[in-house]
Amino acid sequence: DVQVLESGGGLVQPGGSLRLSCVASGFTFTSSAMSWVRQAPGGGLEWVSTISDSGHTAYYADSVKGRFTVSRDNSKNTVYLQMNSLRAEDTALYYCANHIVISGSYYPYFDDWGQGTLVTVSS
Amino acid sequence: HSALTQPRSVSGSPGQSVTISCTGTSGDVGNWDYVSWYQHHPGKAPKLMIYDVTKRPSGVPNRFSGSKSGNTASLTISGLQGEDEADYYCCSYGGSDTYVVFGGGTKLTVL
Repeated sequence: DVQVLESGGGLVQPGGSLRLSCVASGFTFTSSAMSWVRQAPGGGLEWVSTISDSGHTAYYADSVKGRFTVSRDNSKNTVYLQMNSLRAEDTALYYCANHIVISGSYYPYFDDWGQGTLVTVSS
Repeated sequence: HSALTQPRSVSGSPGQSVTISCTGTSGDVGNWDYVSWYQHHPGKAPKLMIYDVTKRPSGVPNRFSGSKSGNTASLTISGLQGEDEADYYCCSYGGSDTYVVFGGGTKLTVL
């Protein structure tokens, strides 16, 4: 069975930093891109960042560009999201998800999701 | 890219059909056939229901179908069941600069 497990959330002051981790299993991790998607309280889903299967390419939403950095360690089946200069509007439940892989290529669809880790930015 | 536009809510009675629209631009929905739909029950992980505009992942009932015309994609749920009551989000690839953009979400109520 596929498992995706996020961790690292918590309460942080505005301007602070936090690193989220996402450990995945049950699929060929090195073949899949991985993404972070968040949901603010009372809000909808918002794509945050995607990292390619090799880790060589990363994409970011405009709202986090320059503040967040996504990385991965394929030897540990783990994806990270380093979040700096955090703002109140970054408060959300952060989900990690893998991508659909077809014939060795990943596609922009989020297949298996974790339960999320909550980040609260407040003084 | 701004968020894709979805109705805030739709409703239907058991057995009926409902359609949720998702309007984007020529830079996302209108330019790529990489449209997907997600079902989200509060407190649970979102679930992929449709990808490539019309395809269903294994295990998704064929009551769920997707389509696209121009800049607008649609999700149709036929034979509504109580368990279909959830939030539904569309999502489109937006090119290498944006990657993907979600819709604002639609709350489906089964009356």
